[in-house]
Amino acid sequence: ILNVEQSPQSLHVQEGDSTNFTCSFPSSNFYALHWYRWETAKSPEALFVMTLNGDEKKKGRISATLNTKEGYSYLYIKGSQPEDSATYLCASYTGGFKTIFGAGTRLFVKA
Amino acid sequence: SAVISQKPSRDICQRGTSLTIQCQVDSQVTMMFWYRQQPGQSLTLIATANQGSEATYESGFVIDKFPISRPNLTFSTLTVSNMSPEDSSIYLCSVEDGGTGRGAYGYTFGSGTRLTVV
Repeated sequence: ILNVEQSPQSLHVQEGDSTNFTCSFPSSNFYALHWYRWETAKSPEALFVMTLNGDEKKKGRISATLNTKEGYSYLYIKGSQPEDSATYLCASYTGGFKTIFGAGTRLFVKA
Repeated sequence: SAVISQKPSRDICQRGTSLTIQCQVDSQVTMMFWYRQQPGQSLTLIATANQGSEATYESGFVIDKFPISRPNLTFSTLTVSNMSPEDSSIYLCSVEDGGTGRGAYGYTFGSGTRLTVV
């Protein structure tokens, strides 16, 4: 059984703070790691698809890194804004053609 | 990527009743996926809906509880039957990106149905 763990469960920051959260996944049978941003009452929105060890991806103020050997990925948000408030989900796509989601990190950014 | 319309967006239902959730995709897709997120839990796959054949259910989910229809390549419904408070969750439909049928490139999701059973 594969588990994807995300920490912290929730995070409260002030506008302008930079923050990061962690996604841990089993490193065996790894194919791809996905990050999504999920705002309340909206669809989860794909942020990054990462496949290679050492991968770094960036989208505006949001970036992510990937370590497939030790089984973790970090998501960074630089200069958080209230509109960054959302749940950030990661998911591991494995060799069994299954996608396993974490429970998400809920980010609250206070103006 | 595809655009998915899902409805209803939310509902409050009495225990013992059933609710049908609908998803419409703006393009033809072979497989559609139904997920559930219970409070504080991970997004969990309920079943994969293929056009022209019965849905494939994941361990712990059964057709009598979650019947699925897939009448064509752009539409699917999920029914939550004989509901109890434990069925209170967010239900999402999705299609996989990239056309491989395997989810390697991630998913596009509907906006979700927030169900509360009282």
